[in-house]
Amino acid sequence: GQQLNQSPQSMFIQEGEDVSMNCTSSSIFNTWLWYKQEPGEGPVLLIALYKAGELTSNGRLTAQFGITRKDSFLNISASIPSDVGIYFCAGHPLNPQGGSEKLVFGKGTKLTVNP
Amino acid sequence: SAVISQKPSRDICQRGTSLTIQCQVDSQVTMMFWYRQQPGQSLTLIATANQGSEATYESGFVIDKFPISRPNLTFSTLTVSNMSPEDSSIYLCSVVKGWETQYFGPGTRLLVL
Repeated sequence: GQQLNQSPQSMFIQEGEDVSMNCTSSSIFNTWLWYKQEPGEGPVLLIALYKAGELTSNGRLTAQFGITRKDSFLNISASIPSDVGIYFCAGHPLNPQGGSEKLVFGKGTKLTVNP
Repeated sequence: SAVISQKPSRDICQRGTSLTIQCQVDSQVTMMFWYRQQPGQSLTLIATANQGSEATYESGFVIDKFPISRPNLTFSTLTVSNMSPEDSSIYLCSVVKGWETQYFGPGTRLLVL
């Protein structure tokens, strides 16, 4: 089945730094979703992207749907300690009929922010 | 968005027993799913909970082990049957609202001794 390659696996940064993570695939995707999961919680949707080239912001977070439809990135600007968590990319791959397959997840990027 | 609640939030169970997890959504949804997240791992889809018909299971998951009910468009249950320590995971309910936008519940943390 389709796989998402999410990188980096983990990041250790200082408060105030910017963060960038990305997901790539060999398959075309119809939708890209970015989630944050904190310890003891379920994944929380941060940003949803629906078409190639789309660039969407949510506060200090910005995500883009790659123009090839095979990748997406998430940037966090001016990180703060509460940004700590695991960030997952996910997407709906294109199926042969032109619709979407079920949601596929990356393995996550664990973010640690040092105050 | 969707507001999803799950019960219980966590449980410790003995091997060989069963646990039923409930998922309640604040509005009617067509698509509802159950996921498993093993420690330190990403999310794995167990099944799609279909209202009025049998759930659709993913490869590696069977109805006898994970029976699912979906009596209406706002509620579903997942039962983890005849549990073993390998079933220790977070179990997550998820729904789709809008166009392919998927939301997750807070999860049920299960520890099997």
